[in-house]
Amino acid sequence: ELKVEQNPLFLSMQEGKNYTIYCNYSTTSDRLYWYRQDPGKSLESLFVLLSNGAVKQEGRLMASLDTKARLSTLHITAAVHDLSATYFCAVATMNRDDKIIFGKGTRLHILP
Amino acid sequence: GEEVAQTPKHLVRGEGQKAKLYCAPIKGHSYVFWYQQVLKNEFKFLISFQNENVFDETGMPKERFSAKCLPNSPCSLEIQATKLEDSAVYFCASSPDRVGNIQYFGAGTRLSVL
Repeated sequence: ELKVEQNPLFLSMQEGKNYTIYCNYSTTSDRLYWYRQDPGKSLESLFVLLSNGAVKQEGRLMASLDTKARLSTLHITAAVHDLSATYFCAVATMNRDDKIIFGKGTRLHILP
Repeated sequence: GEEVAQTPKHLVRGEGQKAKLYCAPIKGHSYVFWYQQVLKNEFKFLISFQNENVFDETGMPKERFSAKCLPNSPCSLEIQATKLEDSAVYFCASSPDRVGNIQYFGAGTRLSVL
């Protein structure tokens, strides 16, 4: 059974600092997603990572995937207050069912 | 439409009452997924459809939960005899096909069971 673990679950950081959120998963998968959720809102898709070594960047966020280690990272560079949100990684199962399994989310609080 | 539309936004039910939630996927998307997000942020997969066919229902508590996606109608998720622990936000997502595609999420329906 696919399990997805994120850490840390909560992160409070100062503006301008860099930090990394980690996402480990337990079985082979060919797709990993990062989503952002603001309080009371829906999920906004940030990145889809499809292959080993994939790296994607959007603004101050960069995501990478190491399928051999079953690890993805979401790196935040020079954080700004607007990035405060909960970030979820989600991993697609490789069976025919195609559902995605979510991590528990990382609540990121960036202090001005 | 260009976004996943979920109705209602908020639904309040007494324990034991029925609740029905609706989801209109993005036009042209073949796959629909339902997730339950409870207070601690955890997402639980419930069920997925490929067009009107159930694709995977391994997450559904079948005793009280049922779902449909009929042609030319919004998809629906129905909970018979709601319980307090059913209180959650229910998200619907759709995707155009299976391989490597993002699931686009609706705004969710918050179900409060009193």
